[in-house]
Amino acid sequence: DGGITQSPKYLFRKEGQNVTLSCEQNLNHDAMYWYRQDPGQGLRLIYYSQIVNDFQKGDIAEGYSVSREKKESFPLTVTSAQKNPTAFYLCASRRSGLADTGELFFGEGSRLTVL
Amino acid sequence: AQSVTQPDIHITVSEGASLELRCNYSYGATPYLFWYVQSPGQGLQLLLKYFSGDTLVQGIKGFEAEFKRSQSSFNLRKPSVHWSDAAEYFCAVDGNAGNMLTFGGGTRLMVKP
Repeated sequence: DGGITQSPKYLFRKEGQNVTLSCEQNLNHDAMYWYRQDPGQGLRLIYYSQIVNDFQKGDIAEGYSVSREKKESFPLTVTSAQKNPTAFYLCASRRSGLADTGELFFGEGSRLTVL
Repeated sequence: AQSVTQPDIHITVSEGASLELRCNYSYGATPYLFWYVQSPGQGLQLLLKYFSGDTLVQGIKGFEAEFKRSQSSFNLRKPSVHWSDAAEYFCAVDGNAGNMLTFGGGTRLMVKP
């Protein structure tokens, strides 16, 4: 079955460490997104990519970095510069062009806790 | 800039009762509107969406939503709630024709037996 796979599901990090969250999709979607979810704040966009080797900052990109070397993969690195990284992170993808229905397809999320 | 407000952070209803979750948006033109549902510790699933045309849209799991331009609202409704509907619900707006969805803060629904 096609879908989006995020790993790891749970991750613990010490302060000062960088961590990378994996996001892989086999839906053949061009666009991919990273959202951060905190209680009561909904989802906030970190980065998005509409095509391989290109990505744009979202609303809260500071302290995060991404790459898009392959269509299927869009990893997110949470750097030590992120002041409050403890959160639930969601990866999503979306069709592009004429096939776009507006729907985002989500992974099951990764919960990062900084100790 | 587009924005979405969900005024109710928590709602509790009895099983079998009707449900209405409120959503108000801010955008200059008619946006694309969505409702998503999230079970604890999971990703989001699309319930329904409005692009144009009939202002009453039907979705999965017996949900429907009505777009009211005059009130800038897109409220979600269900005539009879089931215990399995307990989850968090997010309204979202896309005013940029494809680039960025803006989400509301979410409404957590609890269902009493």
